[in-house]
Amino acid sequence: GENVEQHPSTLSVQEGDSAVIKCTYSDSASNYFPWYKQELGKGPQLIIDIRSNVGEKKDQRIAVTLNKTAKHFSLHITETQPEDSAVYFCAASLAAGNKLTFGGGTRVLVKP
Amino acid sequence: SQTIHQWPATLVQPVGSPLSLECTVEGTSNPNLYWYRQAAGRGLQLLFYSVGIGQISSEVPQNLSASRPQDRQFILSSKKLLLSDSGFYLCAWSEDRYTEAFFGQGTRLTVV
Repeated sequence: GENVEQHPSTLSVQEGDSAVIKCTYSDSASNYFPWYKQELGKGPQLIIDIRSNVGEKKDQRIAVTLNKTAKHFSLHITETQPEDSAVYFCAASLAAGNKLTFGGGTRVLVKP
Repeated sequence: SQTIHQWPATLVQPVGSPLSLECTVEGTSNPNLYWYRQAAGRGLQLLFYSVGIGQISSEVPQNLSASRPQDRQFILSSKKLLLSDSGFYLCAWSEDRYTEAFFGQGTRLTVV
């Protein structure tokens, strides 16, 4: 089955700097890659996703890149703000709405 | 718009007691439904998923079971809880296998 590795497990950045989280996956058939943000005590919230027919997608300060050949994808947060502090999860599946395999999560702390 | 409700938010149960967690979705019909578990400081593991009433697929062998008695209702159960069942349980839904998955707010279960 699919295996998703996520790095780093923790990330501390200064407010205004950029944050990058990287994930690798094992199943070359996976073609849907969402990113979720989870705040303390709450359920994960979808923040951005990318499908395999796209190499990059951007939404304001958040961008995701996908390299299908290398089987890795990354989340980029620019101009970080304290409210970006949370745990971020990457995931992979054969299609949106299909079973998701999650990475282990990255705890991001944005220091003011 | 669609909403997902999950309750209770927190639960403390003694070892050996039964469990029933409920999840309902509003504003859609025949959604895909999922139960995930998140151990402390770790990623999300898919436990069960359902594509329709009475259709349940189990991803991992465990002490838990799931049922879908109604189109938009998904229940997670156990006859006798174990200490290892403690965790954060999340229900999720998607409109079909080609749309994004959305999570409820979760239930934090502590087995004592």
